[in-house]
Order: sequence, then C-alpha cells, then structure tokens
Amino acid sequence: DGGITQSPKYLFRKEGQNVTLSCEQNLNHDAMYWYRQDPGQGLRLIYYSQIVNDFQKGDIAEGYSVSREKKESFPLTVTSAQKNPTAFYLCASSPRDSRQKRAFFGQGTRLTVV
Amino acid sequence: GQQVMQIPQYQHVQEGEDFTTYCNSSTTLSNIQWYKQRPGGHPVFLIQLVKSGEVKKQKRLTFQFGEAKKNSSLHITATQTTDVGTYFCADNTNAGKSTFGDGTTLTVKP
Repeated sequence: DGGITQSPKYLFRKEGQNVTLSCEQNLNHDAMYWYRQDPGQGLRLIYYSQIVNDFQKGDIAEGYSVSREKKESFPLTVTSAQKNPTAFYLCASSPRDSRQKRAFFGQGTRLTVV
Repeated sequence: GQQVMQIPQYQHVQEGEDFTTYCNSSTTLSNIQWYKQRPGGHPVFLIQLVKSGEVKKQKRLTFQFGEAKKNSSLHITATQTTDVGTYFCADNTNAGKSTFGDGTTLTVKP
C-alpha cells in the first residue's frame, strides 16, 4: 500500500545484537501496528499504538520494544532477548476513528539473524 | 484472546476450478475483514463485512458473513493464476487491533 514505508527490505544481524526496524507513514493515521510473520503462518501482533506517546503489548511482545514519539513513526527494536528473531516483520497503520478501519501494510522487512 | 480459525490451510486447484476458504470464531464478531497476500508480498485489504448475513461480490470473489456473525467465507469462482496467494480473514472487534487468522494459501495449476 502507498503511504507506509518500511526499511530496509532485507536485514542481516549477528546473534546477540539489537536491531531497529523503521516504519514511517504519511497517511495521517492514528493507529500503527507491528506484526511478525513466520513461513507458512499468519500474522501475530507484537505491539500496537492507538495514539502518539502510547502503545500496548500485543500477543508476542517479549523480546521487542517500540516507541511512538511522532504520529508518523513507529520503530520496532528486536532485542537480544528475542529467542528466535528471524522472521518477516510487517508494519501497518489504520485510521483510529473510522468505520472502515482497514489496515494499510508496508512492504515488510525480512530479518535474518545469524 | 479472541481467535479466528481459518480452513483449509492449503488449497491446490486446477485453473478454472472454484475455491472457498472459511473463517470461524467462537465469539460474535463486530466485523470481519479479508486480505490477500501475494507470494513475497504484504497483505492487501480486500473487503470488510459488518452486517449479519451480508454478502458482497467483487468480480469473481464472493464474501459472506454468517447470520450469527461468527463465521465468514470467501469464494472464488473459476480461479485464475492471478488468484494465487494467501487469503487472511481478520477481526478487529477488540480495541481496534486486528486479529488475523492463519490464512489459506491458494495455488493454481495452469
């Protein structure tokens, strides 16, 4: 979807290193989300934020951290505490107060930890 | 937490055959959304259903929401190779955060 950018597309890191994934949106959406997708599996929610300076843990928050200092940005840090960080990470945004609260996804970041 | 179950996990069809994926919840959903993810791509929104018994069509795709708002289906008539991908249903009943099913991956043999 246009308007939400994730970078980089591919990322390689050594085990034990923290890594931050970028997510920026210019859609003026209040809500932003981070999902993890493993091969052949669905999307699992890591963190979400409904408004600036506020965020909530999703279903698999352990080993991850986020910040929401600006409306357009919601970076995700994968820490060394995450046991199995290799995965496809998807960022999404949606309008908060809308009947048609569809999620707009970025292109994703494929993280490989070696 | 809220869960939506999708079946089947995989479906292989010959081009021209029909395809259906089902999404089920143990609790009543406020709405159901459907997304498509092409291989190597990201999920793209297809449609949202809100009303009990609602049926919506998009060309060869027919979406249904059950009368009890606990299940939904996506049916594709006469599949084409462009239909390949993984189809997800999603529920955002809870506080604006979507819960996705595990998806149904469709492959189409030409």
